Amino acid sequence: QLQLQESGPGLVKPSETLSLTCTVSGGSISSTIYYWGWIRQPPGKGLEWVGSIYYNGNTYYNASLKSRVTISVDTSKNQFSLKLSSVTAADTAIYYCARLGYLEGATSWGQGALVTVSS
Amino acid sequence: QSVLTQPPSVSGAPGQRVTISCTGSSSNIGAAYDVHWYQQLPGTAPKLLIYGNTNRPSGVPDRFSASKSGTSASLAITGLQAEDEADYYCQSYDTSLSGSWVFGGGTKLTVL
Repeated sequence: QLQLQESGPGLVKPSETLSLTCTVSGGSISSTIYYWGWIRQPPGKGLEWVGSIYYNGNTYYNASLKSRVTISVDTSKNQFSLKLSSVTAADTAIYYCARLGYLEGATSWGQGALVTVSS
Repeated sequence: QSVLTQPPSVSGAPGQRVTISCTGSSSNIGAAYDVHWYQQLPGTAPKLLIYGNTNRPSGVPDRFSASKSGTSASLAITGLQAEDEADYYCQSYDTSLSGSWVFGGGTKLTVL
């Protein structure tokens, strides 16, 4: 059974870079069918797609975050990562990693990682 | 402001039928992009409920169904149960945003 697990600091200072890693187990990140992505949810609010990556490194980002987001993949470790630079309090959210398919939707989700931006 | 519009809340008594609408535009749902639905129980990660407009993943009860027409989609829940109390989100893609994934604002379902 496919499992995803987010890891990374839970507290980031304003203007610094948020970094999270998603470790995939029970399946290969080198799938040619699915993408791997990050979706975030500010406390008490709705879901927002951050960006996605294909196993070959092709990336797709939310236009509103594009200048600050970098998603990368490490197929040798079956992991993909998120970096969000110049964070502000508005970036405080639960960050979910997920397996994404255009025809299938977000089929599997991690449990989520709460990242708080505060000094 | 979400690209896809959902009612903030709906409610129903146990056993009843409720529907949740998801209204988009010609650049997303109306552009023939698929709509997917997610259920988020309190304190948990979202879970895929419906994919490809009308399909249920294995394990999702047939009390949940969905449809799509024009620039809108709809999720229906029949035989409402207390365990259905959750937030529900629709999701599609948008051509004006380079095929970005877009979500509805979410609908809180309360079982009375």
